[in-house]
This record gives sequence, structure tokens and C-alpha cells, in this order.
Amino acid sequence: DAGVIQSPRHEVTEMGQEVTLRCKPISGHDYLFWYRQTMMRGLELLIYFNNNVPIDDSGMPEDRFSAKMPNASFSTLKIQPSEPRDSAVYFCASSGQGAVKAFFGQGTRLTVV
Amino acid sequence: DAKTTQPTSMDCAEGRAANLPCNHSTISGNEYVYWYRQIHSQGPQYIIHGLKNNETNEMASLIITEDRKSSTLILPHATLRDTAVYYCIVMYSGGSNYKLTFGKGTLLTVNP
Repeated sequence: DAGVIQSPRHEVTEMGQEVTLRCKPISGHDYLFWYRQTMMRGLELLIYFNNNVPIDDSGMPEDRFSAKMPNASFSTLKIQPSEPRDSAVYFCASSGQGAVKAFFGQGTRLTVV
Repeated sequence: DAKTTQPTSMDCAEGRAANLPCNHSTISGNEYVYWYRQIHSQGPQYIIHGLKNNETNEMASLIITEDRKSSTLILPHATLRDTAVYYCIVMYSGGSNYKLTFGKGTLLTVNP
């Protein structure tokens, strides 16, 4: 099992550009989570899905952020337009039924200049 | 979900047991206690969880007080690789509501 796979691992972009982060959850898992981590705010839950349906997106900071899960094996987090304050490490995690144990990817380090 | 309180940081000597406390005085009857850790630059890693009985696995032991208002994570023989931020999370796990949220955690430093 390759675990949760995120891409890219690092992304540097200019302010105003669109950024798309990608996540492939562990096969068979039906929960998927997106987190953002900064020194100032710690690890924040942005949104999570159950069976490809968004359950809670109250952590999404602004309308510039959107997340989709078109199928059980793929999810995206998009920022449009990006701003320097979006610079952070973004983690994706997945979990099986009952969501007892979540497995995290290695994260995408986003830098917006 | 119930709020948790953890010390900001702790130190432990290599080879000794590390005991990490967590207070969750407002925990309700159907909420579980979860522990995760995050080693520098990596994603968080699940360690253990429990409801009211003590639990043990290959990584750690979880001791929950009888009134469930606090718990202790025990790493029996800490190594340098156990240096990490440890998060105690209290959460109801049921239905499709599973809002796994992290606080500030405890930075455990294992010293040689």
C-alpha cells in the first residue's frame, strides 16, 4: 500500500495565479480530509468528505478556496487567486469506515510570492 | 467535541518512559480519546485511541482515568525518533460526522 499520495510535494507560484493540489487516498477509504499547517495557526481542518460528498467545509478560509472529490480515488484543493498568506503546508488524509484511524500524506509545501 | 489541555513541551531521557498527560474534563460519554503525533516535516501519524478502558498497542499505551476526565499516553522506552509533537484529541466517532481537529499538542523532546 503506497499510502496517501499528494502532488506536487513543493509548489512555488506567483500571487494571483491558480494553484491546484492533488490527493490520492488509500484505496477503500471513504473519508478524505484536507488540512493546512502554518506556524501561526497550527494544523487546521479545511474540509472533509465522506463517500465523495463534502460533509463539513466550515474551515475553508475564503471563496478563493475550493475542493472537489470527483471519485473515490482522487481529490483536488484549488486556490484561485493565490495570495502570499496562503503559503503553508497542505496535508491530505484518508480514513476507512468509522474514520477511526486517519493516514496522512507527506504534504504539499506551497509558497506564494 | 470536548476541548483538551496539554502541556506545551516535555523532555524525556532516551530509554526511559515518556508519560504525556491530557486533560479533557468536558468529555461526554460517547467521545473517544485519540492520540496522534507529528514528527518534524511529516504528516501526523495515528498512535492509539480508547473509550474508557486502557489500551496498548505496539507503539504506546493509553491510560484513561475512571472518570474519563484525563488520560496519559505512555511511550515505554522512548527513543530519539520519538521526538515529535503529540496531539490528544477527543471526538465522537459515528455516522458521517468525523471532524478530526488538532490543537497545539505537546512537543516531546527525547534527549540522549
